[in-house]
Amino acid sequence: SAVISQKPSRDICQRGTSLTIQCQVDSQVTMMFWYRQQPGQSLTLIATANQGSEATYESGFVIDKFPISRPNLTFSTLTVSNMSPEDSSIYLCSVEEPPAGELFFGEGSRLTVL
Amino acid sequence: RKEVEQDPGPFNVPEGATVAFNCTYSNSASQSFFWYRQDCRKEPKLLMSVYSSGNEDGRFTAQLNRASQYISLLIRDSKLSDSATYLCVVNPGGGNKLTFGTGTQLKVEL
Repeated sequence: SAVISQKPSRDICQRGTSLTIQCQVDSQVTMMFWYRQQPGQSLTLIATANQGSEATYESGFVIDKFPISRPNLTFSTLTVSNMSPEDSSIYLCSVEEPPAGELFFGEGSRLTVL
Repeated sequence: RKEVEQDPGPFNVPEGATVAFNCTYSNSASQSFFWYRQDCRKEPKLLMSVYSSGNEDGRFTAQLNRASQYISLLIRDSKLSDSATYLCVVNPGGGNKLTFGTGTQLKVEL
């Protein structure tokens, strides 16, 4: 399975600021996925990052709040913009393994917004 | 009805016990199924895929019942290190992305 590295692993941020999370994969992948896991909750898909095109956002998530970059087949970034305490969460990058579609995750970025 | 439902637990069991988790899904067209394990403050990790014929990996057995739309995970001879949250994950197919259950917490005690 792919090895996925995320950074930062954790951060504490002030309300109103923005944070960019980086995700690096050790192999080329077509799609990368960004998930959020709020305290005590399961995972919710934010968006799918496609190389060479705009990200596809799920219902409830918008590009202005969560801009995504995908400059090549091994790297993506997720920015959490104009943060509020409600954005405190773990953000996870993942890739899919064909053919069954299992997901493999990075170690996650734990964000606390004060 | 939620797309994927699990009993949140916690299940507190003694070491050596056998424990079973069930998970129900709402989309009868779902195509593939997985169990993930998530330790506290860690990312989810794939435990096993669930095949139609059922599959076993050491102390872990996964089964799928398409007629009743549920999958199960059986853990035999529980170890302290099995303590974690177990996530049921369903691929609804049709280009839709994986759907995660909220997880079942297992605590194995001495």
